[in-house]
Amino acid sequence: AQSVTQLGSHVSVSEGALVLLRCNYSSSVPPYLFWYVQYPNQGLQLLLKYTSAATLVKGINGFEAEFKKSETSFHLTKPSAHMSDAAEYFCAVTPDYNQGGKLIFGQGTELSVKP
Amino acid sequence: EPEVTQTPSHQVTQMGQEVILRCVPISNHLYFYWYRQILGQKVEFLVSFYNNEISEKSEIFDDQFSVERPDGSNFTLKIRSTKLEDSAMYFCASMAGSDTEAFFGQGTRLTVV
Repeated sequence: AQSVTQLGSHVSVSEGALVLLRCNYSSSVPPYLFWYVQYPNQGLQLLLKYTSAATLVKGINGFEAEFKKSETSFHLTKPSAHMSDAAEYFCAVTPDYNQGGKLIFGQGTELSVKP
Repeated sequence: EPEVTQTPSHQVTQMGQEVILRCVPISNHLYFYWYRQILGQKVEFLVSFYNNEISEKSEIFDDQFSVERPDGSNFTLKIRSTKLEDSAMYFCASMAGSDTEAFFGQGTRLTVV
């Protein structure tokens, strides 16, 4: 069965600092991995996705993530945090990317950005 | 930009009452989903719907739950007899194709009292 673990329910960084949000997955088949962001009172928005092409994936708003099979990880990074990055971030996996399958989410990481 | 719309944004209902959560997916999308998030917990899959039938459902999606796409535009989730533990944020999502991005609505917060 597929699962996702996000380390740290709350991460706080200073504006301009590196953002690192951790995600580890468990999957018996090649996974397809996603990062979603949820701003207050809004729905989930796709940041980026890994679908077995390049292992370094670039997304919107300057975020990127690297798929590391040896570490079963898909950590999300951004070189320089902005106040507008404050939100909740969800890592998700699906084994059924080409079949319209469900997403399995991690528990989420709330990112705070201090001025 | 097209978006998934959910109504209402917040619903309060008494235990044992029926509730219907409504979603308008993006118009040319073919795959539809409901997820829920109990406060402080993970976003959990409830059900997927394709070609006018349920394609997959989780163990949470018991006989108290049902989904419908009554008129080709709305996609509804009905809970027949709500329980306190049904209190959660419910998200609707839709996808254009089987290998495309899932677009989520802003959610309906259901509070059962």
